[in-house]
Amino acid sequence: GQNIDQPTEMTATEGAIVQINCTYQTSGFNGLFWYQQHAGEAPTFLSYNVLDGLEEKGRFSSFLSRSKGYSYLLLKELQMKDSASYLCAVSGSNDYKLSFGAGTTVTVRA
Amino acid sequence: NAGVTQTPKFRVLKTGQSMTLLCAQDMNHEYMYWYRQDPGMGLRLIHYSVGEGTTAKGEVPDGYNVSRLKKQNFLLGLESAAPSQTSVYFCASRQDRGADTQYFGPGTRLTVL
Repeated sequence: GQNIDQPTEMTATEGAIVQINCTYQTSGFNGLFWYQQHAGEAPTFLSYNVLDGLEEKGRFSSFLSRSKGYSYLLLKELQMKDSASYLCAVSGSNDYKLSFGAGTTVTVRA
Repeated sequence: NAGVTQTPKFRVLKTGQSMTLLCAQDMNHEYMYWYRQDPGMGLRLIHYSVGEGTTAKGEVPDGYNVSRLKKQNFLLGLESAAPSQTSVYFCASRQDRGADTQYFGPGTRLTVL
């Protein structure tokens, strides 16, 4: 089975940095995705990691350690529009499908 | 290029009624998925399809049926709706495995009274 854990909520100030952790225990591993979901909307793709290390995309970065079953999403220079839910999803031994964590709601305050 | 579309956007059913949710994608993607999203539980996979004419069970398939008669469409059926099926339903499609991401439709908000 798949077990994916992430914190339920995080709050940060505009302009600050927030790190969202995701730990996973899966049968097999074929990659980890991060999605952003604004309230009432569909999830949208942010990043993908399959090898250990850091992937950077503008203000967003994602890190993976396969040996530790651990990933984080780093959001820098936070803006009000970054207030959303962030979903960690893992592709396991059956890499046709993804298993999602429950999501982390990030609230950015002025 | 509309991406992934879902019909309807909202629906209210009475217990025992049936309905079909339609998902359509115009990206010629092979794989399609149906999820439900409930507060605090994230996205849970109901059924998925790896190609036209194929379907497979996901994590929470009970009470749902699906069909993929055409590559671009994936239908989700509720034969006898129950209040426990009140949820937001998302459809998604994906071209391939590996690094290819899933693209999600806008969702269908279903309430079963």
